[in-house]
Amino acid sequence: EVQVLESGGGLVQPGGSLRLSCAASGFTFSSFAMTWVRQAPGKGLEWVSYIGNGADDTHYGDSVKGRFTVSRDNSKNTLYLQMNSLGVEDTAIYYCAKGKGQNSIFDYWGQGALVTVSS
Amino acid sequence: EIVLAQSPATLSLSPGERATLSCRASQSVSIYLAWYQQKPGQAPRLLIYEASNRATGIPTRFSGSGSGTDFTLTISSLEPEDFAVYYCQQRQDWPITFGQGTRLEIK
Repeated sequence: EVQVLESGGGLVQPGGSLRLSCAASGFTFSSFAMTWVRQAPGKGLEWVSYIGNGADDTHYGDSVKGRFTVSRDNSKNTLYLQMNSLGVEDTAIYYCAKGKGQNSIFDYWGQGALVTVSS
Repeated sequence: EIVLAQSPATLSLSPGERATLSCRASQSVSIYLAWYQQKPGQAPRLLIYEASNRATGIPTRFSGSGSGTDFTLTISSLEPEDFAVYYCQQRQDWPITFGQGTRLEIK
């Protein structure tokens, strides 16, 4: 059974940093692209970042570019999102999702990790 | 950035009725459009990809159509579990973008 499980969420002060992790199982992690999508409270979905299976192909949404870094460790079946210079506008549930192949179709999602940026 | 506009914002229907949801792109996305369903407190679920392909395990009452800039998600006969928020998403170009969502509520 395909599973992705986020961890690392929590409360952080404005200007702070946080690293999210996403542990994957039930599929050959190294063969699939992965992505992060977030959802602010009561709002819609916002794509955050994408990483190809080999980790050399990464893309970011404009609102996080230069502040967030996506990475993966295929030996540990784990996806990461390093978030720096956090602002209150980054408060959201962050979902990890598996790509359908190498493309940006998200066929399996985790339950999300809540990140709250507040003083 | 490709903007996706979904309509209507809210759709009120009864079980058994047909639902038609629209997604319009600000420029052509070819067939690279997907639809997701999200229920309260849950993660989104992939319904349709490449405009008209049902994802694994999705009932046949869900269908997608369209290409270029105009797309439709149709639910042929609403079941109680179909009342949720629906999002479209394009992968034609970076950045990936989602529509603002259509809330399908019970009338």
